[in-house]
Amino acid sequence: DTAVSQTPKYLVTQMGNDKSIKCEQNLGHDTMYWYKQDSKKFLKIMFSYNNKELIINETVPNRFSPKSPDKAHLNLHINSLELGDSAVYFCASSQQGAKNIQYFGAGTRLSVL
Amino acid sequence: LAKTTQPISMDSYEGQEVNITCSHNNIATNDYITWYQQFPSQGPRFIIQGYKTKVTNEVASLFIPADRKSSTLSLPRVSLSDTAVYYCLVGDGNDMRFGAGTRLTVKP
Repeated sequence: DTAVSQTPKYLVTQMGNDKSIKCEQNLGHDTMYWYKQDSKKFLKIMFSYNNKELIINETVPNRFSPKSPDKAHLNLHINSLELGDSAVYFCASSQQGAKNIQYFGAGTRLSVL
Repeated sequence: LAKTTQPISMDSYEGQEVNITCSHNNIATNDYITWYQQFPSQGPRFIIQGYKTKVTNEVASLFIPADRKSSTLSLPRVSLSDTAVYYCLVGDGNDMRFGAGTRLTVKP
């Protein structure tokens, strides 16, 4: 069983389209994250949710909207896709606390043409 | 947030011990030190975590001096499959950020 699963693994789309990436964790964690890793390989946090509430919201365009229907799911919806959105997006989860060890999904490679 | 500084890259050979040092001069009292490993096309994977002194598990050891202003990840007898990016994170769980990491290349 995959602890943190993301779908789809690959996403190729045209500029201007709207797309969603889904994430689910079966670890019973109460905190979930979305990260973006660009071509330079920097791993930047985008959002963090704790028990369905937004905790961290970095300087991300409002075209990106996370949605957490329950604490096991954190989906990422992106409107009006741009070329610069091409990257690998990682979902992660952790149990809130000082140690906060994060478990990552396999990533979704988004290519905007 | 405690800022971390690591070497950008390191090279090693199979069978050698590799030590990667991370500086975190403004570490706070409640902060833990956590190391992750990332292979190409995969998400980061937890390796080891510590607060002070030495921690060892089946994968690595983590050495933390008394002042906690740095930490050293030690990988014993590396193999080609240890080629990856290694990230050092410092924080109390509320907001921990990934730096640029250290790209370790293990050569035959």
